[in-house]
Amino acid sequence: EAGVAQSPRYKIIEKRQSVAFWCNPISGHATLYWYQQILGQGPKLLIQFQNNGVVDDSQLPKDRFSAERLKGVDSTLKIQPAKLEDSAVYLCASSPGLGRELFFGEGSRLTVL
Amino acid sequence: AQSVTQLDSQVPVFEEAPVELRCNYSSSVSVYLFWYVQYPNQGLQLLLKYLSGSTLVESINGFEAEFNKSQTSFHLRKPSVHISDTAEYFCAVSDLAQGAQKLVFGQGTRLTINP
Repeated sequence: EAGVAQSPRYKIIEKRQSVAFWCNPISGHATLYWYQQILGQGPKLLIQFQNNGVVDDSQLPKDRFSAERLKGVDSTLKIQPAKLEDSAVYLCASSPGLGRELFFGEGSRLTVL
Repeated sequence: AQSVTQLDSQVPVFEEAPVELRCNYSSSVSVYLFWYVQYPNQGLQLLLKYLSGSTLVESINGFEAEFNKSQTSFHLRKPSVHISDTAEYFCAVSDLAQGAQKLVFGQGTRLTINP
């Protein structure tokens, strides 16, 4: 069974530029998550989708971050404009249902200069 | 709001020694509890989980964790570690009162095994 796929693995941009990350969850998983993991910290939930609807985006900085999950499968996370403090690993995870195990991708490491 | 505290940011131990990684959570209601492991340059993987039933849960590679409701703890233990256990370990909690919708992670504990 294929795991959660993320791209790109690494991205370096300058502040005020924009960036987009893509995630393809495990087939059949209805729940998709984006987490931000800053160096030395645990993952922090940015947004959670159930199919193509948003369940929780309370910690998403909506002035610069946006995410969508069209058709309830793939998802993209966009940052525009980026700030230095956005440097982190962005983790995508999927789950077969609420309260079930999360399966994580390898993450997309963003460096903002 | 839920929170998870991992009391040690780094734990160095010698190979074949026992280890305990501590985890406490803030929720006083029913919860699901998880330990995830992150090997260098890899994504997070589930190590073990407590959903219900026996308070002692085990993983396939010798780790175990015990759910202690009175102390709101879910400490991870292994009686004898190997070099391959070197990784970062994250404790996480999901609050059933909120429909188990949100998984909150601790800060992580970096386990370093010395030969």
